[in-house]
Amino acid sequence: DQQVKQNSPSLSVQEGRISILNCDYTNSMFDYFLWYKKYPAEGPTFLISISSIKDKNEDGRFTVFLNKSAKHLSLHIVPSQPGDSAVYFCAASVGYSTLTFGKGTMLLVSP
Amino acid sequence: DAGVIQSPRHEVTEMGQEVTLRCKPISGHDYLFWYRQTMMRGLELLIYFNNNVPIDDSGMPEDRFSAKMPNASFSTLKIQPSEPRDSAVYFCASSLGTGLSYEQYFGPGTRLTVT
Repeated sequence: DQQVKQNSPSLSVQEGRISILNCDYTNSMFDYFLWYKKYPAEGPTFLISISSIKDKNEDGRFTVFLNKSAKHLSLHIVPSQPGDSAVYFCAASVGYSTLTFGKGTMLLVSP
Repeated sequence: DAGVIQSPRHEVTEMGQEVTLRCKPISGHDYLFWYRQTMMRGLELLIYFNNNVPIDDSGMPEDRFSAKMPNASFSTLKIQPSEPRDSAVYFCASSLGTGLSYEQYFGPGTRLTVT
């Protein structure tokens, strides 16, 4: 049983448009959420995070939204750039504990 | 800083052979994690260490898997004997401080193929 689900294996977006990556979770105890980005042949790198006491966190072109009642979070990338093409992992934790990752969504941004 | 270093980057071995994966965490980091990535299961935590001590190995799939951290700058993940279903990308990650869930820094991974 997956506690963190990324139901879209892939997403294609045109350069300059918005990319929206979604993540659902089942464990209501999760209180910290992170997004990681992974390029081929590299390890995942931290992108942005959000605590459960917030519903939005923004960092440049990247914004993460959290809807606790729906147990849903999303990552918005505006505007999307070809260099954003990568696999994006959603992860969650309960307090200071280990991370539980989703299976990832491959984003392709075409020029 | 060189980041987390893993070796080898690629490993191809025959079923039944012993495989040893190596990791050097970022200097000063006191947590070290081993993950495995597969298409079916995604990125799953195998084991993690704090100050060289194994804290949780519940993710280790079988007794064929073992991990050690003899000092703060080195860790190994060993599979003996290896099986084709062990084929995956194995990542090592490290982090600093009391917040385990904050910003784990990943190595480039070792792609293991067992034939």
